[in-house]
Amino acid sequence: AQTVTQSQPEMSVQEAETVTLSCTYDTSESDYYLFWYKQPPSRQMILVIRQEAYKQQNATENRFSVNFQKAAKSFSLKISDSQLGDAAMYFCAYRRETSGSRLTFGEGTQLTVNP
Amino acid sequence: ETGVTQSPTHLIKTRGQQVTLRCSSQSGHNTVSWYQQALGQGPQFIFQYYREEENGRGNFPPRFSGLQFPNYSSELNVNALELDDSALYLCASKTGGTGDEQFFGPGTRLTVL
Repeated sequence: AQTVTQSQPEMSVQEAETVTLSCTYDTSESDYYLFWYKQPPSRQMILVIRQEAYKQQNATENRFSVNFQKAAKSFSLKISDSQLGDAAMYFCAYRRETSGSRLTFGEGTQLTVNP
Repeated sequence: ETGVTQSPTHLIKTRGQQVTLRCSSQSGHNTVSWYQQALGQGPQFIFQYYREEENGRGNFPPRFSGLQFPNYSSELNVNALELDDSALYLCASKTGGTGDEQFFGPGTRLTVL
C-alpha cells in the first residue's frame, strides 16, 4: 500500500521569506502523480501544485515550486516570498496513474506566516 | 461554471442514526470521490463513483454507501453512526481523464453525539 509521510506537523515563516515543507512517500509503482494541497480555515482543499512522476523537471507555479527526487521518494514544497494568505494546512498527496481519482494524503503541515 | 458544492454545511446526529450527505459535482465532471477527514488528520479515501457505478473503495465498512445520479450529483450514506464517524466529509469531482485535476467541495462537518 502507498503511504505518504509529512514529518513536520507545524512550520512557521516570516512574511516575504522562503519556507520548505517536506514530504516522503512509499510506492512500488513507476507511474503516479504527486500533489500539494492547501486547506485554509474555510476547509476547502485547493490544489497548489502537481508533479507527474515521469517528468524529470520540477513543477513550478508562481511562488510555489517542488523538489521532486524520484529515487529518494521525496517531494518537498518551497514557498518563496511568503504571504499572510499562505497560512494554512498543507497536505502532500499521491495518486497512482491507474487509480482514477483516489488520493492518498499525508498528515499535513500547519504553516504559520508571521508579519 | 459552478464549483463543487456540498450540503449541509454542518450536521449533528446521535449514535445509531443514519445520515445522508450530498454533493453537486462541477459541470462536466463524471467522477466523484468521497473522503473522510478526522480532526487534525489528512483525508482518507472512502470510495469513488464513475458514471453512476462504484469503481474504487477504501478501507471503510459497508455501512458507508453511496450513489451517483445521472446528473452526476452524488450522496454519501452512513448507517448506524458511531462516535468515530465524527469528521469533515469532503467530495471531489473530476472528468474521466487520467491526468485531470479533481476539485474539492467545502465539506460537511458531521458530529455524532
